[in-house]
Amino acid sequence: QVQLQESGPGLVKPSETLSLTCTVSGGSITYYHWNWIRQSPGKELEWIGNIYYSGSTDYNPSLRSRVTISLDASKSQFSLKVTSVTTADSAVYYCARCILGTSRIFDSWGQGKSVTVSS
Amino acid sequence: EIVMTQSPATLSVSPGERAILSCRASQSVTTNLAWYQHKPGQAPRLLIYGASTRATGVSARFSGIGSGTEFTLTISSLQSEDLAVYYCQQYNDWPPERAFGQGTKVEI
Repeated sequence: QVQLQESGPGLVKPSETLSLTCTVSGGSITYYHWNWIRQSPGKELEWIGNIYYSGSTDYNPSLRSRVTISLDASKSQFSLKVTSVTTADSAVYYCARCILGTSRIFDSWGQGKSVTVSS
Repeated sequence: EIVMTQSPATLSVSPGERAILSCRASQSVTTNLAWYQHKPGQAPRLLIYGASTRATGVSARFSGIGSGTEFTLTISSLQSEDLAVYYCQQYNDWPPERAFGQGTKVEI
């Protein structure tokens, strides 16, 4: 059974870049879409974007200008960068896999990584 | 932009009773609708996709129905392990600015 684990700093300063990595184990990274989703306190889940194993990406239009998702298949990892962060980017960040053959339905999730933006 | 609205915000149900959760889309999403269960401290779990198809390993106590703008998730014979927040997600309009509803918290 595939497992996903987020890692990275839990505290980021305003205006800096948030960087997280998701490590995939127990399954192949090939042929799937891999996603980042976040949830700020008291708010709904927000899809950030995804990357296909081939490297093609898709992003939430509201975040596209600040977000980059990349993938390292040799390490079974994919990563998220969010630039110019503000307190509004404080959230629990989840990585998730899509159902094989889809790019929009999330069938496996990590436990989440809490990130606080504060000076 | 499609907005997903869930009701009620909180649902109190006794063990063994049936829970009915609603999700409404601001415009048609056909049957491109998924439901997720999120327990405190755990990873969210896919329950239903295609509005009515149960994901692998999901109990038959969970059922989904609907199309267009109105959707329902029913949990028959509620158990204590079902305490969680349930989210609906549309995937008809992609990439979305907002894909998820705000959630329904099920209390036992």
